[in-house]
Amino acid sequence: QKEVEQNSGPLSVPEGAIASLNCTYSDRGSQSFFWYRQYSGKSPELIMFIYSNGDKEDGRFTAQLNKASQYVSLLIRDSQPSDSATYLCAVNWEYNFNKFYFGSGTKLNVKP
Amino acid sequence: DAGVTQSPTHLIKTRGQQVTLRCSPKSGHDTVSWYQQALGQGPQFIFQYYEEEERQRGNFPDRFSGHQFPNYSSELNVNALLLGDSALYLCASSSGTGGAGSKQYFGPGTRLTVT
Repeated sequence: QKEVEQNSGPLSVPEGAIASLNCTYSDRGSQSFFWYRQYSGKSPELIMFIYSNGDKEDGRFTAQLNKASQYVSLLIRDSQPSDSATYLCAVNWEYNFNKFYFGSGTKLNVKP
Repeated sequence: DAGVTQSPTHLIKTRGQQVTLRCSPKSGHDTVSWYQQALGQGPQFIFQYYEEEERQRGNFPDRFSGHQFPNYSSELNVNALLLGDSALYLCASSSGTGGAGSKQYFGPGTRLTVT
């Protein structure tokens, strides 16, 4: 089993809708989770991180962590065409926090 | 506040050649990690440098080597290039003492094409 798994998509949502992106991971103790956005041909941009169970909100973005079910989600409210990108989930573990493991990313298309 | 910088932006090399990529971390950061991102894949961890030493290494052959300088900048060297080395090479900087919540910030990347 890979450390981090994501549905490659594409996920298509209409403008103004909520986009929900999911990521599952292998449980190896205490972890931190990071969501990156990557536009085509560009490098990943950090948009959220979370390490405690529950929700964390930042503007239109909400990260949700459920350790019991081993998944982390990113919700994008009021989706805009400019949100169309690939979203990468990354995790590191307390015992080896220097090493980040990335999923393969989910491509999001927001249709006007 | 200068972000992470990388050079060159693009590079075309022939099989068997050697290449050196460069990275300067974000101001205030002392740790540099290198990743390889193939088309359609997530970044794969190559190695990380902290205090001028390789602190962690991913599953990459010895053809991939690196160096960190006293000013925290870093180089990635790849010898005996293979066609499969064609990818986007990303440098990420962070604080070495940040623990599990330490965030990594990426540079713009170097697109390497091996022909």
